[in-house]
Amino acid sequence: DGGITQSPKYLFRKEGQNVTLSCEQNLNHDAMYWYRQDPGQGLRLIYYSQIVNDFQKGDIAEGYSVSREKKESFPLTVTSAQKNPTAFYLCASSWRSPTSGANVLTFGAGSRLTVL
Amino acid sequence: RKEVEQDPGPFNVPEGATVAFNCTYSNSASQSFFWYRQDCRKEPKLLMSVYSSGNEDGRFTAQLNRASQYISLLIRDSKLSDSATYLCVLKMDTGRRALTFGSGTRLQVQP
Repeated sequence: DGGITQSPKYLFRKEGQNVTLSCEQNLNHDAMYWYRQDPGQGLRLIYYSQIVNDFQKGDIAEGYSVSREKKESFPLTVTSAQKNPTAFYLCASSWRSPTSGANVLTFGAGSRLTVL
Repeated sequence: RKEVEQDPGPFNVPEGATVAFNCTYSNSASQSFFWYRQDCRKEPKLLMSVYSSGNEDGRFTAQLNRASQYISLLIRDSKLSDSATYLCVLKMDTGRRALTFGSGTRLQVQP
């Protein structure tokens, strides 16, 4: 079955350490996204990529980095520069609805990062 | 003003009730609108797109009011399994293809 796989599901990190979250999709989608969700808040866009070897900053890119070397993969690195990294991180890819023409997101199950 | 605003709830309703949520948006050039559902500690999943003429999917009806800049979701005959957070999502007409999410309205259907 096609889908998006995020790993690890839970991650604990000490302050000052970088950590990389994996996101792999086998849906053949061109566009991929990273969102962050904090308790009681909506999803906020960190980075997105519309095509291999290209990516754009979202609304809260500071302290994060990404790469898009393969269509299937869009890893996110949370660096020590990110002031409040504890959050639920969601990776998504999108396809264009033939009915509405709009991009529809499919999400991975998420990675929950806790900084100790 | 937030780009997308939702009443956080919770809306506590009995099984079988009809419940409606609204979501207001600030950018009149917003193009596309969706409702996503998110269960506790899970990823969001698309519930339905929202079309200008309004659309229905079983017990769920979505409507768009461009003049007043809001969308709505109506759930009829609520089930226990409808308990979740409902996220209002839209795409801005800014050239950026990513979506903008509201913070969600929590629904709790009680037996």
